[in-house]
Amino acid sequence: GAGVSQSPSNKVTEKGKDVELRCDPISGHTALYWYRQSLGQGLEFLIYFQGNSAPDKSGLPSDRFSAERTGGSVSTLTIQRTQQEDSAVYLCASSLIKTLAGGPTGELFFGEGSRLTVL
Amino acid sequence: TQLLEQSPQFLSIQEGENLTVYCNSSSVFSSLQWYRQEPGEGPVLLVTVVTGGEVKKLKRLTFQFGDARKDSSLHITAAQPGDTGLYLCAGGGNNDMRFGAGTRLTVKP
Repeated sequence: GAGVSQSPSNKVTEKGKDVELRCDPISGHTALYWYRQSLGQGLEFLIYFQGNSAPDKSGLPSDRFSAERTGGSVSTLTIQRTQQEDSAVYLCASSLIKTLAGGPTGELFFGEGSRLTVL
Repeated sequence: TQLLEQSPQFLSIQEGENLTVYCNSSSVFSSLQWYRQEPGEGPVLLVTVVTGGEVKKLKRLTFQFGDARKDSSLHITAAQPGDTGLYLCAGGGNNDMRFGAGTRLTVKP
């Protein structure tokens, strides 16, 4: 596909279970982002991958959250021992980084998100 | 604490009215982007501004980047119901992109 693909689109789980969310970025995009969006809210940064560099994990809310990006392409966001406050839409975006004076200007292309509901 | 503060948080207007939404920060950004998000979808880029004082126009939308590259505004002329959505600004720095909380705009016919 031409766009960013996320799966599952919807996930309902019980409190305490682990979940995995998958993101297939646009082919050739070196940067990959995960954001969380609670109902009616803006985007909360979670984690950023850029090429082979160490990921920026500064936005992960707790050690129950982790993410991997294998082979510089597909990424998986894992939430262990889910809590009700983890319920949100998890958005993935990819980008070609174009740096000007040290900052990115590349457009972020978003998937449609994975809606997680923790009962 | 939001790195980027957007205001107003909510805005409800009648079709044909003009409006301005703001994105402010205490940090300097190399670039700022504006996105629009509709329900059930991911945000879509509207514009990127990179030069202090820059003004970009996209049909009825006018975007401005502050001289100090710390703030930006989005002005919509003669709003239409199709403009309804969540408007997000995003700032680039340290090779990541952080978003404001957004302005939720409703344009009533």
